[in-house]
Amino acid sequence: LAKITQPISMDSYEGQEVNITCSHNNIATNDYITWYQQFPSQGPRFIIQGYKTKVTNEVASLFIPADRKSSTLSLPRVSLSDTAVYYCLVGASKAAGNKLTFGGGTRVLVKP
Amino acid sequence: GAGVSQSPSNKVTEKGKDVELRCDPISGHTALYWYRQSLGQGLEFLIYFQGNSAPDKSGLPSDRFSAERTGGSVSTLTIQRTQQEDSAVYLCASSLGGLAPTKNIQYFGAGTRLSVL
Repeated sequence: LAKITQPISMDSYEGQEVNITCSHNNIATNDYITWYQQFPSQGPRFIIQGYKTKVTNEVASLFIPADRKSSTLSLPRVSLSDTAVYYCLVGASKAAGNKLTFGGGTRVLVKP
Repeated sequence: GAGVSQSPSNKVTEKGKDVELRCDPISGHTALYWYRQSLGQGLEFLIYFQGNSAPDKSGLPSDRFSAERTGGSVSTLTIQRTQQEDSAVYLCASSLGGLAPTKNIQYFGAGTRLSVL
């Protein structure tokens, strides 16, 4: 059973790059990594998903080393509106009977 | 309105009463998930529905909790004889369903905030 750990909180300033690392030492071969963002009083929102190496979209990058025991979400040039809680999710398809495990979340505070 | 809809947005009840929480998933999504999020905490998985298959109830904390999904669409989470520790935000999510990673991207509703007095 995958144990997922993330830092509890991180502070940053506007315009800086924020990197959040998620540890998943027991990741299974068919597991992939998904990151979600949650604002107060809202449900989590999908940011990015990957299996290995590097994935980039319009809002973030996801770096996954060869051993896949960790992953790093990178938010370039953050703004105040990026203040949120970020969750790492590790798992494969529930349809295949697999488990999906969320990390405890990282509270990111972006300061002016 | 293409998103996941949950109702009510807030529910205040007295200890010992039963409550029903409703979730309308995105049209065409065959997978539906319920989570519980206590104040300042992470996401606790409760139950998962996939099409007509038997639900995965492995996360339900006690037999006071149950859920149904009628016609493969709307789902209702029922909590019987509510206790103060049941106070939390209950989140529903849906996904396309299937084996591919992209089909398991979850889309969440805004949640129902339950307060048990």
